[in-house]
Amino acid sequence: NAGVTQTPKFQVLKTGQSMTLQCAQDMNHNSMYWYRQDPGMGLRLIYYSASEGTTDKGEVPNGYNVSRLNKREFSLRLESAAPSQTSVYFCASSEYQGGTEAFFGQGTRLTVV
Amino acid sequence: SQKIEQNSEALNIQEGKTATLTCNYTNYSPAYLQWYRQDPGRGPVFLLLIRENEKEKRKERLKVTFDTTLKQSLFHITASQPADSATYLCALVRNAGNMLTFGGGTRLMVKP
Repeated sequence: NAGVTQTPKFQVLKTGQSMTLQCAQDMNHNSMYWYRQDPGMGLRLIYYSASEGTTDKGEVPNGYNVSRLNKREFSLRLESAAPSQTSVYFCASSEYQGGTEAFFGQGTRLTVV
Repeated sequence: SQKIEQNSEALNIQEGKTATLTCNYTNYSPAYLQWYRQDPGRGPVFLLLIRENEKEKRKERLKVTFDTTLKQSLFHITASQPADSATYLCALVRNAGNMLTFGGGTRLMVKP
């Protein structure tokens, strides 16, 4: 079992460029999440998908969009990257929203210059 | 506003001692509280979950308490080892909305 797989692991973007972070899970989980982690800020929820076909905003959704492509895949898109989006991004999944343990990917380290 | 607070200063302890980490929260009514471990360059890994009607949970050398009156959870590692050195995150699930919200984490350093 691979668990939660994120691609890419590292990325450098120029301000204004766009990109999509990919996430896939092979645990048949219903819920998936995107977090960002900044020094001293902990993990902050960007968007989540409680179940296939639904997506909702988290704490810090501005500048991001998401797509729950199917039960396995949940992508995060930056339409016009800004230096403030420099961060480490984590995708996570859980059997259902909130009440069970979350499994995290290895993270994507994104730098916007 | 809602807050989850963990001590941002690193906790340094000697091998073999008990490490105690604190998670305080305000303006929450959590249904669940979870603890995760995070190593540098890695994603968080789940350790323990405790429900609002449970006061204590144990797993091997780990113990978590949950006091909804004090709005606090304590995370204990007994007989600590250098391999326990990591950042520990607490996370709450609110009764309404059911989003998993994290504290800032506390870094634990266990010295041999």
